[in-house]
Amino acid sequence: RKEVEQDPGPFNVPEGATVAFNCTYSNSASQSFFWYRQDCRKEPKLLMSVYSSGNEDGRFTAQLNRASQYISLLIRDSKLSDSATYLCVVTLLSGGSYIPTFGRGTSLIVHP
Amino acid sequence: SQTIHQWPATLVQPVGSPLSLECTVEGTSNPNLYWYRQAAGRGLQLLFYSVGIGQISSEVPQNLSASRPQDRQFILSSKKLLLSDSGFYLCAWRYLGTGGGYTFGSGTRLTVV
Repeated sequence: RKEVEQDPGPFNVPEGATVAFNCTYSNSASQSFFWYRQDCRKEPKLLMSVYSSGNEDGRFTAQLNRASQYISLLIRDSKLSDSATYLCVVTLLSGGSYIPTFGRGTSLIVHP
Repeated sequence: SQTIHQWPATLVQPVGSPLSLECTVEGTSNPNLYWYRQAAGRGLQLLFYSVGIGQISSEVPQNLSASRPQDRQFILSSKKLLLSDSGFYLCAWRYLGTGGGYTFGSGTRLTVV
């Protein structure tokens, strides 16, 4: 079983749609959780951190469910510019250092 | 402000040639540093990480090595490149103790021919 799993997609949605991604992780001792965005041939960029209480940043909402070991990302009112690959990251404290593990990403295509 | 620099942006190297990629961080001290590789159409694979000068942990045994000669410098090397070493190499840092995420350099796209 992979440590961090994501549906690769692609998710093909029209502008204005709401789309949700999930990411599951296998290690219950995982500490920190993030969503990243990666555009084609670019480096990943931090989109938002994820907390059990949930957090929202404009059209984006992230949620952590520790009991079921998954994190989610909800994008409302999708824009063409939201087209990208969305990566989830789970970190685990090991030997005094946080070790980040990335999912393979979920591809989102927003069309007119 | 903190910035991370990575170079070169692109590199084409013949099989069997050596490799040296450099990453430097500015505006911070004692960062945790990471090297990742992303093969075409694949996810990010953690190669090495370092919590301090001279401290290197390897995640995947392979044809590569890493060194951290200075606090804010992280170098990825190979003595002899293989075709399978082609990929997008990314350096990242995370300040020790922060609740924030990881910041990536702009990456080096390596093609071994």
